[in-house]
Amino acid sequence: GNSVTQMEGPVTLSEEAFLTINCTYTATGYPSLFWYVQYPGEGLQLLLKATKADDKGSNKGFEATYRKETTSFHLEKGSVQVSDSAVYFCALEGGSYIPTFGRGTSLIVHP
Amino acid sequence: EAQVTQNPRYLITVTGKKLTVTCSQNMNHEYMSWYRQDPGLGLRQIYYSMNVEVTDKGDVPEGYKVSRKEKRNFPLILESPSPNQTSLYFCASRRQGGIQYFGPGTRLLVL
Repeated sequence: GNSVTQMEGPVTLSEEAFLTINCTYTATGYPSLFWYVQYPGEGLQLLLKATKADDKGSNKGFEATYRKETTSFHLEKGSVQVSDSAVYFCALEGGSYIPTFGRGTSLIVHP
Repeated sequence: EAQVTQNPRYLITVTGKKLTVTCSQNMNHEYMSWYRQDPGLGLRQIYYSMNVEVTDKGDVPEGYKVSRKEKRNFPLILESPSPNQTSLYFCASRRQGGIQYFGPGTRLLVL
């Protein structure tokens, strides 16, 4: 079956530091890939997505590139802010209507 | 405002006492689903519905029921809750092929 593995947190950074959160996946076929963000006390929000190999999703300074050769979709941001503190989930959707989520990575950004 | 609403937001109950968590969306979305979020496990889909009167099991359906009598509503029913159903629950909706919109979550404690 499908699976998503993302790095364990928490990831703790200072403001303006570079962020990478690793995500790798296992799936049959050609899934769509997603990053969601969950702020404290809220539901998940879609951050960015990519639907085919070599696509780059981007939003709010975050980027991730769909790498089929390495089955990866790593999340990056060049300069994090305190307001980016949240839990980030990598997810994939294949042909079924049952998405697969990673376990989530908590990001803490200090001033 | 386009949104997914859930009620109640917090619930404490006892083993065996039937409960219902309501979910409603105002975006005329065909597709709705329920997830549970547990520490270290990410989100797992419980049930989903592709349209009125059409529901199907997700990854973890045991102990739950759903119904979809109207397009906007998708209640989650726990006929006989048990402590292992203590969790954070999210409802979500989407248009066919569109992005998912998540509700704010319902935190359930079963004693």
